[in-house]
Order: sequence, then structure tokens, then C-alpha cells
Amino acid sequence: AQTVTQSQPEMSVQEAETVTLSCTYDTSESDYYLFWYKQPPSRQMILVIRQEAYKQQNATENRFSVNFQKAAKSFSLKISDSQLGDAAMYFCAYRNRGAQKLVFGQGTRLTINP
Amino acid sequence: GAGVSQSPSNKVTEKGKDVELRCDPISGHTALYWYRQSLGQGLEFLIYFQGNSAPDKSGLPSDRFSAERTGGSVSTLTIQRTQQEDSAVYLCASRVNGGPKEDTQYFGPGTRLTVL
Repeated sequence: AQTVTQSQPEMSVQEAETVTLSCTYDTSESDYYLFWYKQPPSRQMILVIRQEAYKQQNATENRFSVNFQKAAKSFSLKISDSQLGDAAMYFCAYRNRGAQKLVFGQGTRLTINP
Repeated sequence: GAGVSQSPSNKVTEKGKDVELRCDPISGHTALYWYRQSLGQGLEFLIYFQGNSAPDKSGLPSDRFSAERTGGSVSTLTIQRTQQEDSAVYLCASRVNGGPKEDTQYFGPGTRLTVL
């Protein structure tokens, strides 16, 4: 079974600085998707960024980018120019192309210090 | 609607009572998922619906849990004879079938269930 590990239960960063959240996963599959979701106190899970495993190019979405290392099974999220609104729980998630369910990590709580 | 909606937002019940949680997916999304988020277990998959196909119930933790999806749209998750360990946030997600975003699940705000 696939597993996702987020080794940082909590992280903090000064406003306007850059922070990187770590995620590793374990799978024997070669074709899959990886996601980062953000969950603010409102509980709404919001998609931040997605990566298809067969694409070597790292995904970017404005201030958010990933470092996808397929051989190392690593998928870290970099947030540049951190803003107060970025404060939330961040979850890394995995899905096989042929499967339906998402497998989530335990989450990282990100605090932004003004 | 614009996004996935869930009701109620919060539900408090007594141990042994039955509860029903509702999910309205994004219009046109044929795939619907239920997940449970609890302190001890993190986020767990419960059940998946796709169109008129038989649902994937592999994540349901016990036979006290059931779900249905009427008319390929609204879904109801029912928990019978609730136990304190059922206390959690129940999240619903939907996904479009086909197109560039077909791999992405969009989540509702969840229902926080508290069993006393």
C-alpha cells in the first residue's frame, strides 16, 4: 500500500520569506499524481498545486512551486513571499492513476509571523 | 453551485443515535468521495461513487457506515448507532470525469460530528 510522510508537524516563517514543506511517499507504481492541499481553519481543503509523475518539469502556481524528485520519491512545496493568508495546515496527497482514493500525509501546520 | 457543499456544518449527537450527513457535489461532477478526518487517524478514504457504477466501499470502517447517491448527484452518508470514536470531520469531494482537471478532487467544507 502507498504511504505519504510529512516529517514536519509544524513550520513557521516570517512574512515575505520563503518556506519549504517536505513530503516523501512510498509506492511501487510509476504513473501517479501528487497534490498539495491547504486547509485553513474554515476546514475547506483547497488545492494548491498538482504534479503528474510522468512530467519531469516541476509544477508552479504563482508563489507556489514544487521540487519533484521521482527517484527519491520526494515532493516538497516551496512557498515564496509568504503571506499571512498562507497560514494553514498543508497536506501532501498521492493517487495512483488507476485508483480513485487519495492517500494523505499527516499534515504540516504552517504559521506566518508578521 | 460554485463548489461542493455539505450539511450540516456541525452535528452533535448522543452515543447510539443515527446521523445523516449530506453532500452536494459540483454540478456536472460524476465522481464523489467521502473522507474522514480525525485526530488519531488523519485523513482516511471512506467511499467512492462514479456515475451508475457500484460504489467502492473499501474504506468504510464498519457496517454501521453506509452511503448512497441519488440521481447521480446528492450523496448521504449515514452512521448508525454512533460511537464516540466516530467523532471526526467528514469531508466530501467531487471530481469531473474527463478533461484536463479530471485527476483533481475538489472538497467541501466538511461536517464536524461530535458524539457525546
